[in-house]
Amino acid sequence: NAGVTQTPKFRVLKTGQSMTLLCAQDMNHEYMYWYRQDPGMGLRLIHYSVGEGTTAKGEVPDGYNVSRLKKQNFLLGLESAAPSQTSVYFCASVRRLGSTDTQYFGPGTRLTVL
Amino acid sequence: KNEVEQSPQNLTAQEGEFITINCSYSVGISALHWLQQHPGGGIVSLFMLSSGKKKHGRLIATINIQEKHSSLHITASHPRDSAVYICAVRGPNTGNQFYFGTGTSLTVIP
Repeated sequence: NAGVTQTPKFRVLKTGQSMTLLCAQDMNHEYMYWYRQDPGMGLRLIHYSVGEGTTAKGEVPDGYNVSRLKKQNFLLGLESAAPSQTSVYFCASVRRLGSTDTQYFGPGTRLTVL
Repeated sequence: KNEVEQSPQNLTAQEGEFITINCSYSVGISALHWLQQHPGGGIVSLFMLSSGKKKHGRLIATINIQEKHSSLHITASHPRDSAVYICAVRGPNTGNQFYFGTGTSLTVIP
């Protein structure tokens, strides 16, 4: 049981390049989230998914796209990276039982855009 | 706008001290979460609260729904407690989204 894994752990991009971050969970959770964490700010929601084939925008979705083709995987794409997207990205999956949530976070991906 | 406010932002304590971190929120919630983020980045869930109080080892979390306030207490603090502690809420007014505080950075000095 690996929990939540993220690939890659580190990446440096040049402005305008594209990349995909992969989040995988083996806990059969329906709910998955992508956040970015910047100094002095709380975790901010980029996109989330409430089940296979569904996605929704969060607080800061511009410049990002997501896909959830399989229940266990949630992909975050940057089509044309910008320096403002330099951040640490966290994926989380959530076990929800009624109104009770348990959050499981991945280890994070540190992205630098030059 | 900040739906979740934490205080203090930074906290330094001597080993053995009793520590309190506060979280206030402005939205109706069904549950509040306390998370811990160690240097190096990993985030783990400590507690989920919808009412009252929970205890795990030296950590105690309380919530007052009427006052929209929660506290995280650490008894007999230890240097390994040094981390960022983050409060998060979700509720009927937030849909499937969680709102996070900016975190309290705790350093415990031996």
